[in-house]
Amino acid sequence: AQSVTQLGSHVSVSEGALVLLRCNYSSSVPPYLFWYVQYPNQGLQLLLKYTSAATLVKGINGFEAEFKKSETSFHLTKPSAHMSDAAEYFCAVIAYSGAGSYQLTFGKGTKLSVIP
Amino acid sequence: KAGVTQTPRYLIKTRGQQVTLSCSPISGHRSVSWYQQTPGQGLQFLFEYFSETQRNKGNFPGRFSGRQFSNSRSEMNVSTLELGDSALYLCASRAGQRADTQYFGPGTRLTVL
Repeated sequence: AQSVTQLGSHVSVSEGALVLLRCNYSSSVPPYLFWYVQYPNQGLQLLLKYTSAATLVKGINGFEAEFKKSETSFHLTKPSAHMSDAAEYFCAVIAYSGAGSYQLTFGKGTKLSVIP
Repeated sequence: KAGVTQTPRYLIKTRGQQVTLSCSPISGHRSVSWYQQTPGQGLQFLFEYFSETQRNKGNFPGRFSGRQFSNSRSEMNVSTLELGDSALYLCASRAGQRADTQYFGPGTRLTVL
């Protein structure tokens, strides 16, 4: 069964510093991987997705993630943090459940704080 | 295109009552999935509907049910509410049957007293 593990439930960075949020996946088949962001009292917004076309995936708001099969990782990065990046970030893998159904399996989430 | 919409945004119910939540997918999307989000359990899959048929169901009791209409709008029902059902319920839609991106609505915050 596919699963994801996010290392660190809370990450704090200074404004302007590098953001690195870690995600490792477990999958018996080539995975489809996603990063979503959730702002307070809102739903999930797609940041980026990996579908095997390219290992380095660029997303919205300056975020990118690199798929590394040898490390089973899909870490999210941003060179310079902004105050507006403070939110909770979820890594997810899509799993085929049979009968044409695909469900997302999420990590526990990482709450990012940005210190001015 | 308009995004996924969910109504109502907030609900307060008491134990034992039942509740119905509504989700309208992005126009043209035929699949609707429901997820429950709680601080303790995180995001958990409830069920998925495609063309009015339930394709898959997560590990939730039978008190949780859903349906999808011919216009792809979906409703989720929870009967005999328990305190532990307090959560953010998220609906997501995707275009087809493959591993397409799921787009989420803003959620319905259910509080059970």
